[in-house]
Amino acid sequence: EIVMTQSPATLSVSPGERATLSCRASQGVRTNLAWYQQKPGQPPRLLIYGASSRATGIPPRFSGSGSGTEFTLTISSLQSEDFAVYYCQQYDNWPLTFGGGTKVEIK
Amino acid sequence: EVQLLDSGGGLVQPGGSLRLSCAASGFIFDTFRTYAMSWVRQAPGKGLEWVATISGSGSSTFYADSVKGRFTISRDNSKNTLYLQMNSLRAEDTAVFYCAKAWRTTLTISHFDSWGQGTLVAVSS
Repeated sequence: EIVMTQSPATLSVSPGERATLSCRASQGVRTNLAWYQQKPGQPPRLLIYGASSRATGIPPRFSGSGSGTEFTLTISSLQSEDFAVYYCQQYDNWPLTFGGGTKVEIK
Repeated sequence: EVQLLDSGGGLVQPGGSLRLSCAASGFIFDTFRTYAMSWVRQAPGKGLEWVATISGSGSSTFYADSVKGRFTISRDNSKNTLYLQMNSLRAEDTAVFYCAKAWRTTLTISHFDSWGQGTLVAVSS
């Protein structure tokens, strides 16, 4: 099983600042990596797939990068609606696995 | 726009059974049958855990080790509906269960671009 490790667990950021979230895979997943945003009481929403492609309707302040085992999600200028939990997911191999999540909170 | 409506959750005793359903709508030209579908769960206050995936035709299924032999994923393409039959339920199966759609047709292993709202399964005596 590919273990996905996200860091940090919690990120405190002021509105307008940049947020950088990391995701590490225990073995290479090429670019078969997605990022999701989840707010309380809601299902996850797809942000990024293929490590760097934005999903439909996702604003350009969200960007993804990386390949192999190291991945990054960057939110260039945090808006109030961006405070949420973010998960990465690998879909290179079964079983599909998610990271433990990074909570982005208001500083 | 694709919409997924999960249902069937509830309170069940340990060792009991439950069947979840996910009714899908908004697929163009009867294409539901071309998309793999999955169940993903989230225990209270915890992260996301993939549970099972079924191919578009239903001929291939994949399960997490934690549910293999106890849960069965299936689909009825004539009704645009996905199911999860859960047997021998345990306290640790308590979670919100989401159905989720694969991003593209013909892909079985995939990320998910549409999610249901979730249905809560609580296993307790």
